[in-house]
Amino acid sequence: EIVMTQSPATLSVSPGERATLSCRADQSISSNLAWYQQKPGQAPRLLIYGASTRATGIPARFSGSGSGTEFTLTISSLQSEDFAVYYCQQYNTWRTFGPGTKVDVK
Amino acid sequence: QLQLQESGPGLVRPSETLPLICTVSGASINTSPYYWGWIRQSPEKGLEWIGVIYYSGDAYYSPSLKSRVIISLDTSKNQFSLKLNSMTAADTAVYYCARGSKQQGVDNGFDFWGQGTMVTVSS
Repeated sequence: EIVMTQSPATLSVSPGERATLSCRADQSISSNLAWYQQKPGQAPRLLIYGASTRATGIPARFSGSGSGTEFTLTISSLQSEDFAVYYCQQYNTWRTFGPGTKVDVK
Repeated sequence: QLQLQESGPGLVRPSETLPLICTVSGASINTSPYYWGWIRQSPEKGLEWIGVIYYSGDAYYSPSLKSRVIISLDTSKNQFSLKLNSMTAADTAVYYCARGSKQQGVDNGFDFWGQGTMVTVSS
């Protein structure tokens, strides 16, 4: 099973600032990676697939990059609605999720 | 508008089988290029992929759960289901159903999710 790790566990950011979240796979997954956002009491919401393609309706402030084992989700200017938990998920071999990064208000 | 809705028992006894159904509205489940999946979430394990079934009926399961899981399609009702047997307290979680797509060999992730249903395993 491919193990996904995310860092940091918690990221404290002020509104308007840039947030950079990291995701790492323990073996190469090419670009077979998705990012999800989850708010309390809600299901995850797809943000990015193919490591860098925004899903339908996702604002341009969200961007993804990386390939192989190292990936990054960047939120260019945090809005109030962006404070949430973010998960990466690989789908190169079966599917596994990372443990998440919580983005909270600084 | 696509909607997915999970249904099933909220409480299951240890050693019993969990039956869950996901009712899909707004799209046909036997249409390419879609697949349909089950994911669960608990504080202990986080998000855990259970398995997926493609429009063709081909199913794939998490290696850690494969011996206990069956996912199937009911095209007449536009539903897909999950059966997880030999339930233990470790299976207590919120269970989600979701839709994904794979177009020209490119997987686009789970783009629509149900609201989730809480399942507790207890005697």
